Amino acid sequence: SQQGEEDPQALSIQEGENATMNCSYKTSINNLQWYRQNSGRGLVHLILIRSNEREKHSGRLRVTLDTSKKSSSLLITASRAADTASYFCATDSGSQGNLIFGKGTKLSVKP
Amino acid sequence: DAGVIQSPRHEVTEMGQEVTLRCKPISGHNSLFWYRQTMMRGLELLIYFNNNVPIDDSGMPEDRFSAKMPNASFSTLKIQPSEPRDSAVYFCASSHLGLTGGQPQHFGDGTRLSIL
Repeated sequence: SQQGEEDPQALSIQEGENATMNCSYKTSINNLQWYRQNSGRGLVHLILIRSNEREKHSGRLRVTLDTSKKSSSLLITASRAADTASYFCATDSGSQGNLIFGKGTKLSVKP
Repeated sequence: DAGVIQSPRHEVTEMGQEVTLRCKPISGHNSLFWYRQTMMRGLELLIYFNNNVPIDDSGMPEDRFSAKMPNASFSTLKIQPSEPRDSAVYFCASSHLGLTGGQPQHFGDGTRLSIL
């Protein structure tokens, strides 16, 4: 069953602009993770935020988590053409390490 | 460092044939996951193993699908007989399951399977 749902499904911006993607989920979580997938490649882990954290930064990435609203956002600042990819949120709700992925946001950054 | 290695990268075969997909996880990882990705259904978890033991195979679509992990460094996903609706990209991922729960998963580049 789908746990994370990303919004929007697709996003097109100009290089240099910021990109914000949102993720909503349904059940309580241990942590929430964001992944990037370039065309024809596997998913690459970007950042993990635990349920007791509210915000986390990694380079040009900023992730927020609101457990009361069961939502998270991924902000990419000063986007580059190389950021063009699909972005997925994934939730860890159990004790066995399995994740449930959303359907992703397709980001296109135009040079 | 070698990442997760999947083979073959592409497979085209005729309906009814047996298909075997292979995965070598990252050394030291104790969890292995098989996913299927399609445009319609997104990324679906098929089965996962912890310490070579299958934990949950509820995502395996039918009895035609089976997966094994004979040792910590190798897993297979088999489809027999294959059908056109099995066409998808199949990913293998591995991670380290610790006391604090799930850790980031490392994905291979997938096998693009086409069943004619």
